[in-house]
Amino acid sequence: EVQLVESGGGLVQPGGSLRLSCAASGFTFSSYSMNWVRQAPGKGLEWVSYISSSSSTIYYADSVKGRFTISRDNAKNSLYLQMNSLRDEDTAVYYCARGGWLQLEAIFDYWGQGTLVTVSS
Amino acid sequence: EIVLTQSPATLSLSPGERATLSCRASQSVSSYLAWYQQKPGQAPRLLIYDASNRATGIPARFSGSGSGTDFTLTISSLEPEDFAVYYCQQRSNWPPGTFGQGTRLEIK
Repeated sequence: EVQLVESGGGLVQPGGSLRLSCAASGFTFSSYSMNWVRQAPGKGLEWVSYISSSSSTIYYADSVKGRFTISRDNAKNSLYLQMNSLRDEDTAVYYCARGGWLQLEAIFDYWGQGTLVTVSS
Repeated sequence: EIVLTQSPATLSLSPGERATLSCRASQSVSSYLAWYQQKPGQAPRLLIYDASNRATGIPARFSGSGSGTDFTLTISSLEPEDFAVYYCQQRSNWPPGTFGQGTRLEIK
């Protein structure tokens, strides 16, 4: 069974930093691309970042470019999101989501339960 | 950036009825459109990919159609567990993988 478990969320002041983690199990983590997708309270879904299976390709949404860094450790079956210079508008539930197989990697076929990040003074 | 517009914003139906949800793209996305279901307090779940392909484990009452700019998600006969928010998402212009704003399907 595919499982994705996020951690690391919490309350942080504007301008602060936070590192999210996603522990994966039930599939060959090193064979799949991974993503972070967020959802502000009461709002819709926003894709945040993508990392290929080998970490050779990385993409970011314009809203987080230059502030967030995605990474992964295939030996530890883990995905990370380093978030710096946090803003009020970064407040959201952050989901890690697996990319689909091969040409379907821009489809998010499994999702974690999410971790809440609150940016507030 | 491709914008996806979903309609209606809210759909009120009764169990057993047929639901038809729409997603319109600001430019052609070919068949590269997916649908997700999200229940309160839960993560989204992939239902349909590439317009008409059901994801693993998705019941046959869910079907998708369309191409180009106009897409439809149909639930043939609503079950109580189908009342949720539904999002469409395009992968034609990737990144970003833009989502629609969602349609809330509520019990009438």
